[in-house]
Amino acid sequence: QVQLQESGPGLVKPSETLSLTCTVSGGSISSYYWSWIRQPAGKGLEWIGRIYTSGSTNYNPSLKSRVTMSVDTSKNQFSLKLSSVTAADTAVYYCARGGGEDPFDPWGQGTLVTVSS
Amino acid sequence: QSALTQPASVSGSPGQSITISCTGTSSDVGGYNYVSWYQQHPGKAPKLMIYDVSNRPSGVSNRFSGSKSGNTASLTISGLQAEDEADYYCSSYTSSSTPNVFGTGTKVTVL
Repeated sequence: QVQLQESGPGLVKPSETLSLTCTVSGGSISSYYWSWIRQPAGKGLEWIGRIYTSGSTNYNPSLKSRVTMSVDTSKNQFSLKLSSVTAADTAVYYCARGGGEDPFDPWGQGTLVTVSS
Repeated sequence: QSALTQPASVSGSPGQSITISCTGTSSDVGGYNYVSWYQQHPGKAPKLMIYDVSNRPSGVSNRFSGSKSGNTASLTISGLQAEDEADYYCSSYTSSSTPNVFGTGTKVTVL
């Protein structure tokens, strides 16, 4: 069965760029949408954006100016970059298959990213 | 794009049935049959429970069911069990500026 695993720094300084990678195992990354979703402590889920394996992307308008997603099909990975981070970007970041008409399934276990100097 | 509206909390006794609502607009919940529901236990990743309004993924208990009327989708949990105590989120496809929107989340408490 397909499994997802997020990886990246757990601590990022304000104004710097948050970078995360999601590795897909147990299946091919091809021909699916892949999304990033975040959840601040004690709060709800926020969809960040999605990428298709062709490289086509859609981003949440509230984050669009700071978000870049990419995909590496040879490594079965996709990535998130969020620039100019502030404390408000502190959250658990999840990667998931799906987005748009497709449900989010499965999900990675999530990784906590803290923005602090 | 505003979040879909869910009640903050719903509670019930073991064995009872409860229903969680998810209210949107004609641009999301009301306009498409792409509503999904997710269960999240503390410290865990969300888990898909219902997709396309009323379909259950393999392995999800048939005590969970989904429906939709107009701009409001609903998740019903029948035969409530202690393990159902969790946060629940709805999500919908939307034709607005972003293809996805989540609900505000509902905390289910088993009394």
